[in-house]
Amino acid sequence: AQKITQTQPGMFVQEKEAVTLDCTYDTSDPSYGLFWYKQPSSGEMIFLIYQGSYDQQNATEGRYSLNFQKARKSANLVISASQLGDSAMYFCAMREGPPRGGSYIPTFGRGTSLIVHP
Amino acid sequence: DAGITQSPRYKITETGRQVTLMCHQTWSHSYMFWYRQDLGHGLRLIYYSAAADITDKGEVPDGYVVSRSKTENFPLTLESATRSQTSVYFCATADGRYSNQPQHFGDGTRLSIL
Repeated sequence: AQKITQTQPGMFVQEKEAVTLDCTYDTSDPSYGLFWYKQPSSGEMIFLIYQGSYDQQNATEGRYSLNFQKARKSANLVISASQLGDSAMYFCAMREGPPRGGSYIPTFGRGTSLIVHP
Repeated sequence: DAGITQSPRYKITETGRQVTLMCHQTWSHSYMFWYRQDLGHGLRLIYYSAAADITDKGEVPDGYVVSRSKTENFPLTLESATRSQTSVYFCATADGRYSNQPQHFGDGTRLSIL
């Protein structure tokens, strides 16, 4: 069974608008972490944002925020004020286990391709 | 400050040949990973290593061999390459002490097997 599901293979958004990329996860571990990465056409993987399962507030990093709904097991990435440079593949990943001392073996979703139109 | 270096960046070889992809890090991160990326599959874990001399299989290990005699190096070997192993390969590292820290990825190796 997929531990990380990204149901949107492709998304389109108009420049300057907000966009939400979906990510749902499956785990029975009460302690876990969720990551989002961006992969532009040049190929490198860029870390965007992290959310821990025990974090009380939704994570934010500049124009990126994470809509974390623990009961629904969803961790959607919200990009505000989209820019042309946001066009890329976006991957959601999950690591299960405690924040310290546990193993570190993330599982990745299949990704969502975002295209920002001018 | 290269951080993590993969070599070669591009490789073309023939079926049945042995090929080794290199990965070197300068951070002394305990964890190192090898992923393959194929269209429609995202990133799939081939092998990982939690420390020197400790390696373990990921999701798709068949046909691959790894070793980690030194913390900084984690080579991936395809012992007898097949066309299905044509892919983009990423090496990654992580500081295993703090699991809220992200993985760091190399630039990838684009491998074509003819």
